[in-house]
Amino acid sequence: KAGVTQTPRYLIKTRGQQVTLSCSPISGHRSVSWYQQTPGQGLQFLFEYFSETQRNKGNFPGRFSGRQFSNSRSEMNVSTLELGDSALYLCASSLDRRSGYTFGSGTRLTVV
Amino acid sequence: SQKIEQNSEALNIQEGKTATLTCNYTNYSPAYLQWYRQDPGRGPVFLLLIRENEKEKRKERLKVTFDTTLKQSLFHITASQPADSATYLCAPPGATNKLIFGTGTLLAVQP
Repeated sequence: KAGVTQTPRYLIKTRGQQVTLSCSPISGHRSVSWYQQTPGQGLQFLFEYFSETQRNKGNFPGRFSGRQFSNSRSEMNVSTLELGDSALYLCASSLDRRSGYTFGSGTRLTVV
Repeated sequence: SQKIEQNSEALNIQEGKTATLTCNYTNYSPAYLQWYRQDPGRGPVFLLLIRENEKEKRKERLKVTFDTTLKQSLFHITASQPADSATYLCAPPGATNKLIFGTGTLLAVQP
């Protein structure tokens, strides 16, 4: 079966711009979580969606937002990009929290 | 606050030996804990989940233990191979059940 698909794979944006990242979960998975990964901070939790509702939110500023559609696909948006937003953004889907998460390959965002 | 600690120093071992990685957590008692493998530039891959009432879990050459008294999980790879070289992450659920990841331990298996 198809895995978790994240698009785009790479992205270069200018400071102050906004960006939208997309995630298509494994078919049947209704839970989607987003993480930011940087060399210094490791994997930091952004948010979790389940059946179109945000179930959890991490400690990120309001510039980071997300949503989930009825087909479980999810998007995250970052507005007013800062240099420090450069990171690998990972999306993960799961059937339930105790069955393990399946991650996508991530979107590498570079802010210049 | 909830804290997860993994050895930040790389672990270098010889092929064929057993690698043992440590995950310590403080200030809470997770009901389960997951382990993942991550290769450079890729997303983590789920390996094993162990519940608080399970002392040990095995999958092929992998073994995970969960000591709720010590607040520690150990991850073992027996008969290690160069292909096992990667970063290994432990991930217990935090408050509100969101999955929290440790910073990971880089394992390097030398041929």
